[in-house]
Amino acid sequence: DADVTQTPRNRITKTGKRIMLECSQTKGHDRMYWYRQDPGLGLQLIYYSFDVKDINKGEISDGYSVSRQAQAKFSLSLESAIPNQTALYFCATSDPLNRGGELFFGEGSRLTVL
Amino acid sequence: DAKTTQPNSMESNEEEPVHLPCNHSTISGTDYIHWYRQLPSQGPEYVIHGLTSNVNNRMASLAIAEDRKSSTLILHRATLRDAAVYYCILRDPTGTASKLTFGTGTRLQVTL
Repeated sequence: DADVTQTPRNRITKTGKRIMLECSQTKGHDRMYWYRQDPGLGLQLIYYSFDVKDINKGEISDGYSVSRQAQAKFSLSLESAIPNQTALYFCATSDPLNRGGELFFGEGSRLTVL
Repeated sequence: DAKTTQPNSMESNEEEPVHLPCNHSTISGTDYIHWYRQLPSQGPEYVIHGLTSNVNNRMASLAIAEDRKSSTLILHRATLRDAAVYYCILRDPTGTASKLTFGTGTRLQVTL
């Protein structure tokens, strides 16, 4: 089983719908992240959390919200999806004391907003 | 935040060594240099990291300039499976202002 699991892996939705992408991890890491990747581009940070009660905005947080329900779970929500939120979304975790804060990524959630 | 600069793309022949450069002239003393790679249709995966000294692991070597303003990821014998996008990023693993962003990376093409 993967250490960082994202669900759903693929989702097609319509403009205006609320969407939730879920991430769970078995690494035991406190730090979790949500990234977005557009075709041919690098990863942009949406939100990150260093602990259950800690939420921080990244570069591109507008239009997104997150919930850190437990150490192992970090959800990303699009309250009212729009077409330019069509992208590949990655969840990641890290332990600052391990290999310089190595990031462990999930396999990605591909979201299409029509 | 400190940024990194990488060439957009590079090509290599199979079984030849590959040197992927990265410039990070504004690196701070607490920043680690991390390299990740992203294979097609997959999430990024860790390759190697270092702080000041050169590092080797089973995947690659990392050569860090003495002033730490640049580094080079070395794949000793490229294979077709090494074709991927390689990202060089700076990480301050403990600070609240961690460098967490990825640039566009270097797309490595490996040919027979």
